[in-house]
Amino acid sequence: KNEVEQSPQNLTAQEGEFITINCSYSVGISALHWLQQHPGGGIVSLFMLSSGKKKHGRLIATINIQEKHSSLHITASHPRDSAVYICGYRRNSGGSNYKLTFGKGTLLTVNP
Amino acid sequence: NAGVTQTPKFRILKIGQSMTLQCAQDMNHNYMYWYRQDPGMGLKLIYYSVGAGITDKGEVPNGYNVSRSTTEDFPLRLELAAPSQTSVYFCASSYSRTTEAFFGQGTRLTVV
Repeated sequence: KNEVEQSPQNLTAQEGEFITINCSYSVGISALHWLQQHPGGGIVSLFMLSSGKKKHGRLIATINIQEKHSSLHITASHPRDSAVYICGYRRNSGGSNYKLTFGKGTLLTVNP
Repeated sequence: NAGVTQTPKFRILKIGQSMTLQCAQDMNHNYMYWYRQDPGMGLKLIYYSVGAGITDKGEVPNGYNVSRSTTEDFPLRLELAAPSQTSVYFCASSYSRTTEAFFGQGTRLTVV
């Protein structure tokens, strides 16, 4: 069983739509990461958060530690937002807290 | 500001050959990681290091070796390449457990 579950696996939207990608995990964590990977490209860190909400431009990330759930929202989506969005975490205890564990990603396609 | 630099970007190996994937960061980061990314499987941790002279195994270490003689460099060694090691390899670094991770551009390796 994957320790990080993302939904949906694939998402197609029209330009301008509001987008939500969900991430659920099953262990206690110290931090949650959202990454962006464009097709054939490198990986960029979007957010790292341990509580509440963070905003950067049109991107908003939220986390609910009690429910072990995080969401990534994109407002006014644009075709250049088309990418794979990856959720991952760092555990909060034991030797595993050095490791970053990631989900399989959500493939987002925004059509013009 | 180079960030995390991986070389080479592409490589084709024959079965049984060996090679070293290079990773260097210029941000004085303590934590460094090697991941492999296979289609539909997400990022899998191969090895990680929490500082010079300290390395530890991740989820999929078999067939690989690492060393961390300096803070800046974290090379990944494949001794006897196998087709199962065909993948895209990413190196990442972070300053501490509570800071974001930075990724290199990746190395696409094909073993034939």
